[in-house]
Amino acid sequence: GEDVEQSLFLSVREGDSSVINCTYTDSSSTYLYWYKQEPGAGLQLLTYIFSNMDMKQDQRLTVLLNKKDKHLSLRIADTQTGDSAIYFCAESRDYKLSFGAGTTVTVRA
Amino acid sequence: DADVTQTPRNRITKTGKRIMLECSQTKGHDRMYWYRQDPGLGLRLIYYSFDVKDINKGEISDGYSVSRQAQAKFSLSLESAIPNQTALYFCATSDSRDTRSQYFGPGTRLTVT
Repeated sequence: GEDVEQSLFLSVREGDSSVINCTYTDSSSTYLYWYKQEPGAGLQLLTYIFSNMDMKQDQRLTVLLNKKDKHLSLRIADTQTGDSAIYFCAESRDYKLSFGAGTTVTVRA
Repeated sequence: DADVTQTPRNRITKTGKRIMLECSQTKGHDRMYWYRQDPGLGLRLIYYSFDVKDINKGEISDGYSVSRQAQAKFSLSLESAIPNQTALYFCATSDSRDTRSQYFGPGTRLTVT
């Protein structure tokens, strides 16, 4: 979806924090999502944030939402090798999801 | 058992052939979706259905058709496959009573030669 943009690649050292950024265009989106796709697998919902929230934390995951700038980020603390995957940002629009191109996160030892 | 299943998981077919991809779900959701994934493009919506009698085109419906045979089944057809339909296809479901998220199947890898 060209309306949701994210960088394509991120390389991070094991144990460091990862930050994946996303920008979206539809200010009326109700929810914004982060999905994870491991190699050869489907998409797994990681977390979501309601549009009237600024932050949501769930164990190692922190989602920040800047509604004014239409910017969404996902921070993964203490990144592990199992976090290597493609991460998709998505916005809801008319009960449909519009996805970014995905950020491939590679965790190096 | 998986909540959203897709068959086949992999398929290689020739240009011009008709192919059907099937999706079944046991989640009891009323809404179902078909997406295709291409490298660097993310997921794009092909068709969606909000209930058995409702079918809607997504952003890239040309060359595809769908059938919602029952609440639990949603199939995607390529009437005459072409090489640029080579992609990973995902089925997804959601519940109109809780629109917070969609649940995805494992995907079907389709190669058109």
